[in-house]
Amino acid sequence: DGGITQSPKYLFRKEGQNVTLSCEQNLNHDAMYWYRQDPGQGLRLIYYSQIVNDFQKGDIAEGYSVSREKKESFPLTVTSAQKNPTAFYLCASSIWQIGGAFFGQGTRLTVV
Amino acid sequence: AQKVTQAQTEISVVEKEDVTLDCVYETRDTTYYLFWYKQPPSGELVFLIRRNSFDEQNEISGRYSWNFQKSTSSFNFTITASQVVDSAVYFCALSDDDYKLSFGAGTTVTVRA
Repeated sequence: DGGITQSPKYLFRKEGQNVTLSCEQNLNHDAMYWYRQDPGQGLRLIYYSQIVNDFQKGDIAEGYSVSREKKESFPLTVTSAQKNPTAFYLCASSIWQIGGAFFGQGTRLTVV
Repeated sequence: AQKVTQAQTEISVVEKEDVTLDCVYETRDTTYYLFWYKQPPSGELVFLIRRNSFDEQNEISGRYSWNFQKSTSSFNFTITASQVVDSAVYFCALSDDDYKLSFGAGTTVTVRA
């Protein structure tokens, strides 16, 4: 089935550790995105990528890093510099010039 | 400046009632796309509809309908004869010149049996 796969579904991180969230899509979409959602709030854009080997900062990129070595994959690393990383993270992909996105099932990250 | 405003934070209705969710957007572009997503308790975002700025025709899909009015910059969503399974958070979103999605804060819909 075509779609977007995020893993893991739940992730626990100790303070000071970096963690990487996985996002894979087989929709042949050029664009991929990472969003963060906090309780009771909308989605905020962290990073996005239009094509392989290129990505741009979104509205809240500080403390995060990404790579786009393959069209299908867009992993997000939450670094120790992110002071409040506990949140729900959603990955999405789309046809770039149309906009809009199809979303994965999300990763819930908790700092312990 | 906020691009998408969903003024209703929460709406609670009894099953079979109709519910309308408001969405007001702001953009200077003439070409843009508007979206509605549903987020059930499981967390994933479910795509419901995409509408481009040149198509003001209202759309109906089963119990769902959308009213797009450029004159008032609104893209409202109505659920007719609501069901318990419609309980979710609904997001309106806009994609304009940079093709990124800007989301509203969401409206939580609770349908009581």
